[in-house]
Parts: sequence; structure tokens; C-alpha cells
Amino acid sequence: QQQVKQSPQSLIVQKGGISIINCAYENTAFDYFPWYQQFPGKGPALLIAIRPDVSEKKEGRFTISFNKSAKQFSLHIMDSQPGDSATYFCAALLDSTLTFGKGTMLLVSP
Amino acid sequence: ETGVTQSPTHLIKTRGQQVTLRCSSQSGHNTVSWYQQALGQGPQFIFQYYREEENGRGNFPPRFSGLQFPNYSSELNVNALELDDSALYLCASSLAGGHKLFFGSGTQLSVL
Repeated sequence: QQQVKQSPQSLIVQKGGISIINCAYENTAFDYFPWYQQFPGKGPALLIAIRPDVSEKKEGRFTISFNKSAKQFSLHIMDSQPGDSATYFCAALLDSTLTFGKGTMLLVSP
Repeated sequence: ETGVTQSPTHLIKTRGQQVTLRCSSQSGHNTVSWYQQALGQGPQFIFQYYREEENGRGNFPPRFSGLQFPNYSSELNVNALELDDSALYLCASSLAGGHKLFFGSGTQLSVL
């Protein structure tokens, strides 16, 4: 049973454009929703996170939008740069345990 | 850098062998979790250690076992290796009850 569904599987965005990745979850007991960025050969790095009582969180070019009633959340990367090219994972936390989506491979073309 | 270090970085084993992977947690973090990341997939929770005791386990068989030491470092042991055990094994450290988990760079295990 996949508790966190992520889309799209891959994404190509022009430099300067907006990258949008979506996730949906099933378990309403999840209490924290982080996004991780992973480069090849590296572990996932915590990028930004949100609690379910907040509808939006912004840190620099990265914004999480959270819709508790729809059980959905999304990551927006503004002014996407070639250095943002990586795999992005949404996740949901319960009892200090993360459940990850399957990931989105983002390519930002110059 | 997260301060979480894992060793070795790469490992090649044959089916049926046993392997031990090691992790040093970020300074001050007392909880260590292990995740398995198959190629092209998101990490899957194996288990978590707190105060040297297993404190939660995912859907992995008993041949996956672990230890946590008084200095909070940890080991993951896998017995009777199978081909499907080939994956990136990730260690994450956190504070007990904390929301932020910080990952190491992982150990890439190949089972031939």
C-alpha cells in the first residue's frame, strides 16, 4: 500500500521557469511533511517542510502549498536553475518514521 | 553536510553472505533510523534505534538487524544476502521525537 503518491515521475523545465511537484497522502495521522532533494551518489537532503496546520510555507525560491482537506501538498520551485536538477522526494512523518513518495526527477534546461 | 557519516561507501557481496554497515549520527542526535533505497525508488523504512533499543520496524524480515551503541552510532546487519538486497542503504539521525531527519550519503550495496 503506497501511502504517499508523487507526480510527475519526471519533469523538464526551462531555466527561470516554475517547477511544480505534487503529492497526495492517505493517512491523516501524518504530522509533518518534508521535501528532500537528492543528487546522484548522495543521500536525501532536507529542503523544506510544513506542518499540517499551515497552508503555505516559503523559503527563498521554494514554497510548499498544503491542502489538508484534500490530503495533498505540493512543492513549487520558482526561477528554476540548472543547479536545481536533482530528484525530489515528498515524505510524510509519523512516530519519527518517514514514508516517501517515489520521487520526481527534475531537469532544468539552460 | 549533515554530519551523519556512513561506512563503507560501496560494498560488493555475494548471495548468502552477511554484511555490516555503520553509521555515526550527527552530534547531539540520539535517534538513528535506517532506510533502504532501491534504484529509482524512494527510501523505505527498515527500523529505528533509540537508547540502544529497536524503536519501530518497517516491513523487513528478521535477517535485517541492528545495534545502537552508547555514543548513538549504529550498525545495520543483513544476513543471508539476497540479490534483491542490492540497494543504497541510508542512515538518518534525529532527536527523539523530533521532526527533522538528516541523512548520510549512504552505503551502496551490490549483491552478486
